[in-house]
Amino acid sequence: QVQLVQSGAEVKKPGASVKVSCKASGNTFSSYGISWVRQAPGQGLEWMGWISPHNDHRNLAQKFQGRVTLTTDTSTSTAYMELRSLRSDDTAIYYCARDVVGETIWIDYWGQGTLVTVSS
Amino acid sequence: DIQMTQSPSSLSASVGDRVTITCRTSQSISTSLNWYQQNPGKAPKLLVYGASTLQKGVPSRFSGSGSGTDFTLTITSLQPEDLATYFCQQTYNSPYTFGQGTKLEIK
Repeated sequence: QVQLVQSGAEVKKPGASVKVSCKASGNTFSSYGISWVRQAPGQGLEWMGWISPHNDHRNLAQKFQGRVTLTTDTSTSTAYMELRSLRSDDTAIYYCARDVVGETIWIDYWGQGTLVTVSS
Repeated sequence: DIQMTQSPSSLSASVGDRVTITCRTSQSISTSLNWYQQNPGKAPKLLVYGASTLQKGVPSRFSGSGSGTDFTLTITSLQPEDLATYFCQQTYNSPYTFGQGTKLEIK
């Protein structure tokens, strides 16, 4: 059974940075992509970007380019998402998720989510 | 970016009803369309990928159809545990946008 276990909730001040981790169980970490998706309180899902642990290829939504860095550590099967220059509207639950690439692309497993609260 | 229009935004139905949720995209995406179910306070869960392939373990009362720009998620014989919000997602072009969600309530 695949599990993605994320780091705990964070409270940050505006202008600060946050780094969320996502540790995958099993030994297939490099075989799948990792997407990051966020959900503001009471709102829908917003796709932020994707990274391949195999070759470090990344794809970020334009909205987050310059503010988000996605990285992976294959030695620990862990993915990271760093968001800088935090604003109040970055308050959200941040999910990591495993991408499957077949004839199409889909997310088959999700982390439990990490609540990031931005408040002065 | 590909725009997603999901309808309805909310829906109330009775146990045993047939429910249909639609997702329309602003350009053709072939069958690069996925459906997820999100129970209150939980992470989303994959229901259907590639527009019509049911994920393993998902009850057969769920089905997906469509291609191009128009897609449908159907729940036949609604069950109480189907109370959730349902999202479509396109993975044809980055950014892989989601629909705004359909909140399903049980009467």
